[in-house]
Amino acid sequence: SAVISQKPSRDICQRGTSLTIQCQVDSQVTMMFWYRQQPGQSLTLIATANQGSEATYESGFVIDKFPISRPNLTFSTLTVSNMSPEDSSIYLCSVGGGAKNTGELFFGEGSRLTVL
Amino acid sequence: GESVGLHLPTLSVQEGDNSIINCAYSNSASDYFIWYKQESGKGPQFIIDIRSNMDKRQGQRVTVLLNKTVKHLSLQIAATQPGDSAVYFCAGHLAAGNKLTFGGGTRVLVKP
Repeated sequence: SAVISQKPSRDICQRGTSLTIQCQVDSQVTMMFWYRQQPGQSLTLIATANQGSEATYESGFVIDKFPISRPNLTFSTLTVSNMSPEDSSIYLCSVGGGAKNTGELFFGEGSRLTVL
Repeated sequence: GESVGLHLPTLSVQEGDNSIINCAYSNSASDYFIWYKQESGKGPQFIIDIRSNMDKRQGQRVTVLLNKTVKHLSLQIAATQPGDSAVYFCAGHLAAGNKLTFGGGTRVLVKP
């Protein structure tokens, strides 16, 4: 299984600021995804981070609010821009490429953001 | 679009008893399903998966059942232990887009 490291693990942010979350994987992976988990809720896919091209965003998420970079096969960043208290969530990086043919996703520990 | 949901938000179980967590899905195009376990402060961790052409799959102390007729999925945990206390999510995979859609989650509380 892939080992995924996210930074920061948690942060407290002021309204109107932006924060960039980093995701580092210990091996090259094809698929990288960013999820949001609001307090007490399930995971919602924000976007698929594509290496060498623009990320693919899910309905309700836009690049201006959540710009994503994927410079290589082991690293990606998610920026939460112009934050408001509603952005307080856990943001999770996940990667595909499980050895089994079902393509399970591995998750990082998440970055818990609190916006004041 | 795909939606996956759960019947019970919280499940209290006596240590040693069996747990059953249920999940309903709407999109019959899902080609497989995965159960994840999320402990407090951690990311989701893979438990077991099942392909849509299977009815049952067993792992260590866990069994997943899939009923495609009623679009229902369940996770059974045998001899529940305190370490099983967590939130459990089911997720459906769609080959189109290679994406997982997660259900609402069930919190399992194991009582000693």
